[in-house]
Amino acid sequence: DAGITQSPRHKVTETGTPVTLRCHQTENHRYMYWYRQDPGHGLRLIHYSYGVKDTDKGEVSDGYSVSRSKTEDFLLTLESATSSQTSVYFCAISDGVGDEQYFGPGTRLTVT
Amino acid sequence: SQQGEEDPQALSIQEGENATMNCSYKTSINNLQWYRQNSGRGLVHLILIRSNEREKHSGRLRVTLDTSKKSSSLLITASRAADTASYFCAPRILTGGGNKLTFGTGTQLKVEL
Repeated sequence: DAGITQSPRHKVTETGTPVTLRCHQTENHRYMYWYRQDPGHGLRLIHYSYGVKDTDKGEVSDGYSVSRSKTEDFLLTLESATSSQTSVYFCAISDGVGDEQYFGPGTRLTVT
Repeated sequence: SQQGEEDPQALSIQEGENATMNCSYKTSINNLQWYRQNSGRGLVHLILIRSNEREKHSGRLRVTLDTSKKSSSLLITASRAADTASYFCAPRILTGGGNKLTFGTGTQLKVEL
């Protein structure tokens, strides 16, 4: 398995609180991604990074921000969590443009 | 939407039978990838087929690509109970997409003993 870890693996938080999810890789891959997975919607891209301090929005970026200060870490922040952000969040990495992506184990987030 | 759309949404077969899943997409692509997801786990990459390829094999997997019809199929031969999972196609669009893949809602495959 590719060296990708996500923390925390499970989190319950209240509406309005900020939440930060962490993705850590040991593969030195250039690209990192955050997705959310919801029933009936499949996997949707939130944000991605193509290098340190280089990020771009995906299709469902509202309410989320990201940061990448080191190659190995990609943080996803929910600035003020809402119930609609209850989901399973996956981090993924890839080495090159168009290459296969390797996924982390996921973080199950519940916003009450 | 530029995402891949898998068909059928659910498929139930007996162990030893072949399973075929289809994927359609809407725009020109650079490549198309297939992933598997076991319940509660992350996605695992299965196979990548480039736009200039028509067929590719990997073990018990066979993938075809028809760019004129904007469609792909994944065949799993001699299925096993361990193949029970959701399967996703992910087209990588040719222009304006950067390195982004778009995923559909998947085909849920159940292989029964």
